[in-house]
Amino acid sequence: AAGVIQSPRHLIKEKRETATLKCYPIPRHDTVYWYQQGPGQDPQFLISFYEKMQSDKGSIPDRFSAQQFSDYHSELNMSSLELGDSALYFCASRVLQGVSEKLFFGSGTQLSVL
Amino acid sequence: AQKITQTQPGMFVQEKEAVTLDCTYDTSDPSYGLFWYKQPSSGEMIFLIYQGSYDQQNATEGRYSLNFQKARKSANLVISASQLGDSAMYFCAMRPPGTGNQFYFGTGTSLTVIP
Repeated sequence: AAGVIQSPRHLIKEKRETATLKCYPIPRHDTVYWYQQGPGQDPQFLISFYEKMQSDKGSIPDRFSAQQFSDYHSELNMSSLELGDSALYFCASRVLQGVSEKLFFGSGTQLSVL
Repeated sequence: AQKITQTQPGMFVQEKEAVTLDCTYDTSDPSYGLFWYKQPSSGEMIFLIYQGSYDQQNATEGRYSLNFQKARKSANLVISASQLGDSAMYFCAMRPPGTGNQFYFGTGTSLTVIP
């Protein structure tokens, strides 16, 4: 079965540059989440989309923006990159299964800001 | 505020033995979901198990089971018959009710399986 696909897998940028991370959720999953995980840290919620509409916002800097497109893929845009933005960025999609739900993560994009 | 606590930063277990990873949570919502994820050194997050707050029975998924004690607000993960491939970081997470609400993660427990 297809999983959540993220691209690129690795990204190296310099300070003040911009970066765009892409996420392709599992088909028919209703919600997409973006998380940031610093080295040795737990994942921190950035933003989520339900049926292409922004549904919740976490600790996402103003320099970051995200959207979900008509084909359900999502992009996280990061501008004026800082050294502290170096982290693993996860996208996840959610499916409801009766009274249960599952959240599946992509393999992540490792962003390094130099 | 929602909060997840994992008090064991690191755990060791002998291969083929069972191990329990602790997780406690704090929420005032009566309805929530609890999750466990595994993160191997390769970095990906792998879904292991889900427990709904109104589920009467403890969730099980193969070698994984969740010891859910609602009154104590604990959701410990039990891994039976540990395998070397179980060595990884394990994160407990909670999702409050409502579509799109964020998942709150604990700080994780690093499990090492010893041959």
